[in-house]
Amino acid sequence: DAKTTQPNSMESNEEEPVHLPCNHSTISGTDYIHWYRQLPSQGPEYVIHGLTSNVNNRMASLAIAEDRKSSTLILHRATLRDAAVYYCILREWNTGNQFYFGTGTSLTVIP
Amino acid sequence: NAGVTQTPKFRILKIGQSMTLQCTQDMNHNYMYWYRQDPGMGLKLIYYSVGAGITDKGEVPNGYNVSRSTTEDFPLRLELAAPSQTSVYFCASSYRDRGGSPLHFGNGTRLTVT
Repeated sequence: DAKTTQPNSMESNEEEPVHLPCNHSTISGTDYIHWYRQLPSQGPEYVIHGLTSNVNNRMASLAIAEDRKSSTLILHRATLRDAAVYYCILREWNTGNQFYFGTGTSLTVIP
Repeated sequence: NAGVTQTPKFRILKIGQSMTLQCTQDMNHNYMYWYRQDPGMGLKLIYYSVGAGITDKGEVPNGYNVSRSTTEDFPLRLELAAPSQTSVYFCASSYRDRGGSPLHFGNGTRLTVT
């Protein structure tokens, strides 16, 4: 199973941008990069995903390195509701479409 | 629009008892997954299914069994509960594609084995 590496924790001030990094040096050409977040006492929820190009949606932006060995989730203006654990995952479609979660990054937003 | 529904929300089992965690989805998703999450940890994949009648092991399958007789349902069976199975269990589903479809999660079942 392909692995991702994320910092254990990060802090951000409210209303400032947050850049959450993820390394995935063993990524293969067909693996999609997915990001999920888990609010306290809730199940994970989808944030964004991409393959090669940068992606934007109403929640966040995803910047993917040219060699695809790393990516960054960007929250443009952090709010207190963004305090959560953020997981970066590779979806390996050619090995059965498993999603393997790591330990994620715990984001603290400071008012 | 119910999405992924898990029952029960909470359960306490005694060591050696058995139970089935129910999971159903109404989105016509081919892929379904079971995860467990221990306190302060990430999610571990227990079993997954790519369609009715097809199941396969994930990272931590020991002590569990699954079946997939319909597209909608993917129950997880614990045969002889052990304290090590105390955890929060999440069911998830997604469309069948090359990896671009997101996972949809249920709200989880909190299981305590004493």
